Amino acid sequence: AQKVTQAQTEISVVEKEDVTLDCVYETRDTTYYLFWYKQPPSGELVFLIRRNSFDEQNEISGRYSWNFQKSTSSFNFTITASQVVDSAVYFCALSEANRDDKIIFGKGTRLHILP
Amino acid sequence: DAGVTQSPTHLIKTRGQHVTLRCSPISGHKSVSWYQQVLGQGPQFIFQYYEKEERGRGNFPDRFSARQFPNYSSELNVNALLLGDSALYLCASSLGSLSSTDTQYFGPGTRLTVL
Repeated sequence: AQKVTQAQTEISVVEKEDVTLDCVYETRDTTYYLFWYKQPPSGELVFLIRRNSFDEQNEISGRYSWNFQKSTSSFNFTITASQVVDSAVYFCALSEANRDDKIIFGKGTRLHILP
Repeated sequence: DAGVTQSPTHLIKTRGQHVTLRCSPISGHKSVSWYQQVLGQGPQFIFQYYEKEERGRGNFPDRFSARQFPNYSSELNVNALLLGDSALYLCASSLGSLSSTDTQYFGPGTRLTVL
């Protein structure tokens, strides 16, 4: 069964602190894709990253970085030097290949960056 | 380039009524997916359409239906509305290649309130 768990419901940090959002996934497929989306108060889901199951290289994009570890079925997201504009709900998601492309989302982590 | 567009932005209906939500994908994208997001949860997959054919369906009752038009835009229809149908309805578009799972880009959503 496919499942994505984001154990942190809500996190608050002071601006400029680093913060890591955890994501653990379950799948029986060997080929799958992992995603992170950001949902600001406006409601639109903003795509951040997609990673396939065969690429375990960590990725860095500006202040954002992602740590993919198949051994622990985790795909964690770190924001370095957080800013108030990073305040949003962040969703980790999973899609299995050769299926209907449906994305299974976690319940999200609400991140508050305090000035 | 225009992103995914959805209409209307907000909608208020009463129980038992019918509603039609509309979505226009990113230019060049041939696949449209629909998701339901209730307050405090991650989006739940409803349908995916590719080249005007249903490619996948989530665990939703038959009151939910959809279709895709030759220009790749899509409609989601919900009959006999229930209070529990109140949610943000998100449309996502993707290139729609059948060989891999494409990244889905989301629209701003339609917020449906059922009274």
